[in-house]
Amino acid sequence: AQSVAQPEDQVNVAEGNPLTVKCTYSVSGNPYLFWYVQYPNRGLQFLLKYITGDNLVKGSYGFEAEFNKSQTSFHLKKPSALVSDSALYFCAVRDKGGADGLTFGKGTHLIIQP
Amino acid sequence: DSGVTQTPKHLITATGQRVTLRCSPRSGDLSVYWYQQSLDQGLQFLIQYYNGEERAKGNILERFSAQQFPDLHSELNLSSLELGDSALYFCASSGVTSPGNTIYFGEGSWLTVV
Repeated sequence: AQSVAQPEDQVNVAEGNPLTVKCTYSVSGNPYLFWYVQYPNRGLQFLLKYITGDNLVKGSYGFEAEFNKSQTSFHLKKPSALVSDSALYFCAVRDKGGADGLTFGKGTHLIIQP
Repeated sequence: DSGVTQTPKHLITATGQRVTLRCSPRSGDLSVYWYQQSLDQGLQFLIQYYNGEERAKGNILERFSAQQFPDLHSELNLSSLELGDSALYFCASSGVTSPGNTIYFGEGSWLTVV
């Protein structure tokens, strides 16, 4: 069975500083990894995904994520945080079978302080 | 805007009642997924349909059922509602069921059971 862990319930970052939201995964084969963001009272918005190839994936709103197979991690990063980045971030995984949609982590609240 | 449309946006109903949530997938998407988001359970995969056929089942209660119609819209039926069913229900869609395909989410239907 596939699973995702987001070890931090909340991450606090000052505006302008780099941010990292952590994610580790467990799948039986090669993983397909996704990041989504949820703003208050809104749906999930797709940010980026890793399927294969370059370990550094670039996505929407200046976000990027680094796939590390040996550490089974897929951390979300941004070089300079904005107050508007404050939201709930979800990491998700799908294995090669892909039959069961996405398995999500519990989410990490990202708070960017002015 | 993801292109996935869900109605109603908000719904308040009493215990024991039955409700139907409706979803229109993105144009051309054959797969529809239903997810439940609650504070204690996080994001839980309920069920997936592909081109009218049930494809995968997750943690869906027997009191809940879904279907996908020939025009590809989907409905999630929740019956004998309990207080614990109060949650945000998401519909999502994707194209062919390749595990690397991005799944796009609607804004969700807020269900409150009183």
